[in-house]
Order: sequence, then C-alpha cells, then structure tokens
Amino acid sequence: AQSVTQPDIHITVSEGASLELRCNYSYGATPYLFWYVQSPGQGLQLLLKYFSGDTLVQGIKGFEAEFKRSQSSFNLRKPSVHWSDAAEYFCAVRGGADGLTFGKGTHLIIQP
Amino acid sequence: EPEVTQTPSHQVTQMGQEVILRCVPISNHLYFYWYRQILGQKVEFLVSFYNNEISEKSEIFDDQFSVERPDGSNFTLKIRSTKLEDSAMYFCASSERAVNTEAFFGQGTRLTVV
Repeated sequence: AQSVTQPDIHITVSEGASLELRCNYSYGATPYLFWYVQSPGQGLQLLLKYFSGDTLVQGIKGFEAEFKRSQSSFNLRKPSVHWSDAAEYFCAVRGGADGLTFGKGTHLIIQP
Repeated sequence: EPEVTQTPSHQVTQMGQEVILRCVPISNHLYFYWYRQILGQKVEFLVSFYNNEISEKSEIFDDQFSVERPDGSNFTLKIRSTKLEDSAMYFCASSERAVNTEAFFGQGTRLTVV
C-alpha cells in the first residue's frame, strides 16, 4: 500500500524568504504525485502534479516541486513566500486508478 | 472555470440520524470520489465511483456508508445512523480519467454529529 510522510508538522518562514516543504512517499512503481493547499475553512486546491517526464514541475502561485526517485521524495519549493501563502499543505500520492493517499500535512506560518 | 460543488456547506445532525451529502462533479468527469478529514487530521480516502458502481473503497467505508449517482449530475454520500466520530469535513472530488489526471475537490461539507 502507498504512504506519504510529511515530516514537518509546522514550519515558520519570514515573508520574502525561501521555502521548502518535504514529502516522502512509498509506492512500488512510478507514482502520481500531487501537492494541494488548504486555506482555513476551505477546500483543497491543486498546486502542482507529477505524472512523468521532467522531474521538476512548475505549479501555480510560484511553487515548484522536484521528483527524486532515488530519495522517494517530492519536495515543494518557493523562492520567496508571501503572507498569503500561510495555509496547510498536503502532499499526496496516487497509484494507478486508486484514490489519493495524503500525508498529514504541513502547517505553514509566515512571519512578517 | 468548472468546479465541483457541494451542498450543504455545513450540516448538523443528531446521533443516529441519516444524512445525505450532495455533490455536483465537473460535467465531463467520469470518476468520482469522497474523502473525509477529521478536524486537525489528514484527508482520508473513502470511496471511488465509476460507471455507476464503486471501483474502490477504504476500510473506513463500511456498511454505514453508501454512494449513489441518482441522476446525470449529482453524486451523493449517505451515512446511515450517524455516530459522533463521523463528525468531519467531507470532500467530494472528480476527475476526467482514472490515470494521468488530477482530481478536483469541492469546498467540502462540514458534518457535525451531536
């Protein structure tokens, strides 16, 4: 069965600083990988996805993520965060036609 | 932009009652899903639905739960005899295909069982 680990429950970053959120997955074959963002009381918005091809994928709101098969990782990055980026971030994996398996999420706090 | 819509946004029900959560998936999507998020916890997969039948379900999706596509647009989750631990945010999602595509999520229905 697939699984996702997001080792950081909370991360605090100063506005304008760079950001990296970690995600490790477990799946036997090439997975489909996703990052979703959830603002308080809101639904899940897709930031970016990886299916195949170029291992560096670009998403919305200036986010990018890099798939590293050797490390079973799919870390999310942003060069300069904005206060509006404060939210909960979920990494998810999907194997084939199965439903998504989510990580526990990382709560991002932006300091002024 | 097409979106998944869920109603109601918030439902309060008494323990033991039945609830039906409603979803309108994106119109050309063929695969439908329900997920649950208990407050402060991760999002958990409940069930996927394709071609008018369940294609996959998790351990959470026991006999208390059922899904239905009663017409060409709605997709419902029924919870029979609700329990306090059913209190959660329930998300509906849909996707165009089973693979090589993302799922689009609705805004969720917050179910509170009292």
